[in-house]
Amino acid sequence: EIVLTQSPGTLSLSPGDGATLSCRASQNLTSRLLAWYQQKPGQAPRLLVHGASIRATGVPDRFTGSGSGTHFTLTISRLEAQDFAVYFCQQFGDSPLYTFGQGTKLEIK
Amino acid sequence: EVQLVESGGGVVQPGGSLRLSCQASGFTFSSYALNWVRQAPGKGLEWVSTISGAGGKSYYAPSVKGRFTVSRDKSKNTLHLQMDSLRVDDTAVYFCAKGGGPTVNFYWLDSWGQGTLVTVSS
Repeated sequence: EIVLTQSPGTLSLSPGDGATLSCRASQNLTSRLLAWYQQKPGQAPRLLVHGASIRATGVPDRFTGSGSGTHFTLTISRLEAQDFAVYFCQQFGDSPLYTFGQGTKLEIK
Repeated sequence: EVQLVESGGGVVQPGGSLRLSCQASGFTFSSYALNWVRQAPGKGLEWVSTISGAGGKSYYAPSVKGRFTVSRDKSKNTLHLQMDSLRVDDTAVYFCAKGGGPTVNFYWLDSWGQGTLVTVSS
């Protein structure tokens, strides 16, 4: 089973800052099999990126996914108020079929 | 516009059963795999089950295999999750989510419902 470990657990930043969120896999991943989601309190998750770097429809270009192998990154430039949320990475594997990281909470400093 | 609306959640005793439904609209139902993902209170996301677009293949997380059954009704554009032998640790919000394509290889979940809360408690 591939385990995804996200860091940091909580990231405290101010609007206008840039954010770098990390997702490390316990084994090499094919890049196309890594996605990122944003979840706000009381809401369903929202797909941001799949294939490690392909932005989903309607996602601002301030959100950039990158990485390969065992280390993947979601970079958010020029943070806006609506960006403060919890972010999860997800991978497609074997058993279980899909796994998620534990999440990074991006909070206003 | 894609819409996914879950229903069927509630309170059930350990060992009991519940059937969740997800009414889908805004896309060609049979062309996309559908998924159940759950989130325990204050916790992260856990994949539960996936069914292919045609309905011929289904997959389960080890934690629910043998207890949960996923199905889809093409005539009603509805996804179901039959949950039997429920345990306290099945307590969670259950989300229905649309896959990126007809098979599990299209693993990204590009549309989600708002979820339905299942509470397993005596």
